[in-house]
Amino acid sequence: RKEVEQDPGPFNVPEGATVAFNCTYSNSASQSFFWYRQDCRKEPKLLMSVYSSGNEDGRFTAQLNRASQYISLLIRDSKLSDSATYLCVVNRSGGFKTIFGAGTRLFVKA
Amino acid sequence: NAGVTQTPKFQVLKTGQSMTLQCAQDMNHEYMSWYRQDPGMGLRLIHYSVGAGITDQGEVPNGYNVSRSTTEDFPLRLLSAAPSQTSVYFCASSLTRNRGATNEKLFFGSGTQLSVL
Repeated sequence: RKEVEQDPGPFNVPEGATVAFNCTYSNSASQSFFWYRQDCRKEPKLLMSVYSSGNEDGRFTAQLNRASQYISLLIRDSKLSDSATYLCVVNRSGGFKTIFGAGTRLFVKA
Repeated sequence: NAGVTQTPKFQVLKTGQSMTLQCAQDMNHEYMSWYRQDPGMGLRLIHYSVGAGITDQGEVPNGYNVSRSTTEDFPLRLLSAAPSQTSVYFCASSLTRNRGATNEKLFFGSGTQLSVL
């Protein structure tokens, strides 16, 4: 079993739709959590950190559920430019390793 | 701002050849790492470094060596290339070694597409 698991998708949604991605992690010692965005053939870039209390950045909302060991990303009012792969990222405590999920592919269509 | 610079962008090797992928950052970052990305696998950590002179293995270190003689540079060496090492390689750095901080953003290079025939 992978340490960080995501539904690979693809998610195909129309412009203006709301879409949500989940990610589960298996290591209970995981300490910090992030969502990265990766465009085709490009390097990943940080979308947002995920805080225990949940956090919002414009149309994007991230949630963390430590008890169930999952994090989520909600995108409201989807734009064509949101089409990308979204990577769930987890840092373990007690070490220096950042672990990436395989990513969820999103296509937003006009 | 150069950020994280990776070279080369593309490379084709024959089985058994050796080569070095270069990675340099100009942000005085303490932490540097190498990932490979394969379809359906996500990014997998090869090696990382928490400072000059300090390196350690990640999830998939076999067939790769690294060194960190300076803060700026973190080269990845393929000792004897194999077709299984065909992949996209990313170098990434962050300011501190504190992986637990919620503001520990990773800065990535633009990647190296490596094909081993």
